[in-house]
Amino acid sequence: QVQLQASGPGLVKPSGTLSLTCAVSGASISSFTGWSWVRQSPEKGLEWIGEIYQSGATNYNAALRSRVTISLEKSKKHFSLQLTSVTAADTALYYCARIEVGEYYFDHWGQGTMVTVSS
Amino acid sequence: QSALTQPASVSGSPGQSITISCSGTSSDVGGYKYVSWYQQHPGKAPKLLIYDVSNRPSGVSSRFSGSRSGNTASLTISGLQAEDEANYYCTSFTSTSTRYVFGTGTEVTVL
Repeated sequence: QVQLQASGPGLVKPSGTLSLTCAVSGASISSFTGWSWVRQSPEKGLEWIGEIYQSGATNYNAALRSRVTISLEKSKKHFSLQLTSVTAADTALYYCARIEVGEYYFDHWGQGTMVTVSS
Repeated sequence: QSALTQPASVSGSPGQSITISCSGTSSDVGGYKYVSWYQQHPGKAPKLLIYDVSNRPSGVSSRFSGSRSGNTASLTISGLQAEDEANYYCTSFTSTSTRYVFGTGTEVTVL
């Protein structure tokens, strides 16, 4: 049973960096899969942020690309999200999700972690 | 890249069938078979219901089915049950730089 658990600071100051981690259990983080971040807010709904594959290859939403970095920590069995220069518009519930290589859907999701950008 | 368009709400009585539409363009829904549907109960993570337009993952009820015609995909829920009350989202791979686009979401109410 694949399980994902996102975690990180619930409050980030404007212009700061949002850093989240997604712990993976029940599956090898090095397996033939990809790992994604998706966020949800009342204003924008669901928004795909980006993904990373076991090879280290990444894809990012062009609207966020200049501010986003997703990395994979295989030994620690987790992957991470960094979003720089945050504003109130980045306030959202952040989900991590799994995607199979060669597929284009998210088959397992973590519970999500709420991040508020405020001073 | 604009979000895919879904009706804000759909309702039906227990046992009835309802259909949720998801309207996109030839750059997403109409151009690729990579349309998926998710169910989200309040306070919960989305759950995959349908992938590749009409495929159901193992464990998902056969009451859920997907289809597509042109640039519009649809999710049909047959034999509506109280537990189907939730929000439903479509998503599609897109040839734009966004890569994945989500629908605006539909709230399903069981009367």
